[in-house]
Amino acid sequence: EVQLVESGGGLVQPGGSLRLSCATSGFSFSNYIMNWVRQAPGKGLEWVSYISSSGSAKQYADSVKGRFTVSRDNAKDSLYLQMNSLGAEDTAVYYCARQGYDYWGQGTLVTVSS
Amino acid sequence: EVVLTQSPATLSLSPGERATLSCRASQSVSSYLAWYQQKPGQAPRLLIYDTSNRATGIPARFSGSGSGTDFTLTISSLEPEDFAVYYCQQRNHWPITFGQGTRLEIK
Repeated sequence: EVQLVESGGGLVQPGGSLRLSCATSGFSFSNYIMNWVRQAPGKGLEWVSYISSSGSAKQYADSVKGRFTVSRDNAKDSLYLQMNSLGAEDTAVYYCARQGYDYWGQGTLVTVSS
Repeated sequence: EVVLTQSPATLSLSPGERATLSCRASQSVSSYLAWYQQKPGQAPRLLIYDTSNRATGIPARFSGSGSGTDFTLTISSLEPEDFAVYYCQQRNHWPITFGQGTRLEIK
């Protein structure tokens, strides 16, 4: 069974940092592109980042470029999102999603507030 | 950035009725258009990819059509569990973008 489980969310002050993790199982992680998508409270979906199967290629939404860094550890079947210089506009549920967006995690809530 | 405009914003229908949801792109996305269903407190669920291909396990009452800039998700006969928010997504251009969503509510 394919599973994606996000962790690392929480309350952080404006300007702070947070690192999200996405632990996966049930598929050959190293063969798949992975994505991060977020959803602000009561709002729609926003694609955040993409990373190729090897980790050599990455893409970011303009809203996070220069502040967020996506990475992966294929030996640990895990995906990461390092988030720096957080602002209130980054408050959202963050989802990891497999290539093709056929499997998603349950999401982890990031709240940026003083 | 490709802007996806979904209509209507809210659709009120009864179980058994046919639902037609629209997604219009600001430029051609070829056939790289997907549809998702999201219920409160849940992650989105992939319904349709590449315009008209049903994802694994998706009932046949869900169908997708269109090309270029105009796309449609049709639910042939609504079941009680189909009332949710639906999003379209384009994967043809960076950045990947989503529509703002259509809320399908029980009339």
